[in-house]
Amino acid sequence: SQTIHQWPATLVQPVGSPLSLECTVEGTSNPNLYWYRQAAGRGLQLLFYSVGIGQISSEVPQNLSASRPQDRQFILSSKKLLLSDSGFYLCASPQGENYGYTFGSGTRLTVV
Amino acid sequence: RKEVEQDPGPFNVPEGATVAFNCTYSNSASQSFFWYRQDCRKEPKLLMSVYSSGNEDGRFTAQLNRASQYISLLIRDSKLSDSATYLCVVKGGSYIPTFGRGTSLIVHP
Repeated sequence: SQTIHQWPATLVQPVGSPLSLECTVEGTSNPNLYWYRQAAGRGLQLLFYSVGIGQISSEVPQNLSASRPQDRQFILSSKKLLLSDSGFYLCASPQGENYGYTFGSGTRLTVV
Repeated sequence: RKEVEQDPGPFNVPEGATVAFNCTYSNSASQSFFWYRQDCRKEPKLLMSVYSSGNEDGRFTAQLNRASQYISLLIRDSKLSDSATYLCVVKGGSYIPTFGRGTSLIVHP
């Protein structure tokens, strides 16, 4: 089965600073990959998804961007963080049609 | 109407109780359904897939009602450790799964 690695686990960044969160996947090839954000007490908001290297679809307009430089690597970035970017960022990938989605352990970002 | 809706709760039940959650979805072409569990400040983890004929895993039973477009999760003999947020997930023909906002369950002694 696949494993998703995310780092760092926790991050505190000042407003206006850049951001780079990395997600890597083991145990599969050419996976669909997703970035979600969960604000405190809220549901999961899909930010980006990718079906292959260099293919990124954005779900919501924001000051974030994503890239997929390698098959099993998905990166979430920002040039200048806003307070509203605070949240729990999760990377996910499907396990198979009837096996749901696997999540990484997430990065808790606080913008101060 | 939201694509996937859940009662946010919280559902506050005593140990040993039976509790049920429903989740409604708007896309009649949805094909795959799942229940996830999310503990506080942790990532969601798959609890069980939901099959058309219904399925059971120990104290947990999941049902799908395509006609009324909802899925349900029944937890019997609730344990303190069942306290968590339960998310339903619906997937259609696209690449994108849709998550409900979750239902909070608190099991008390």
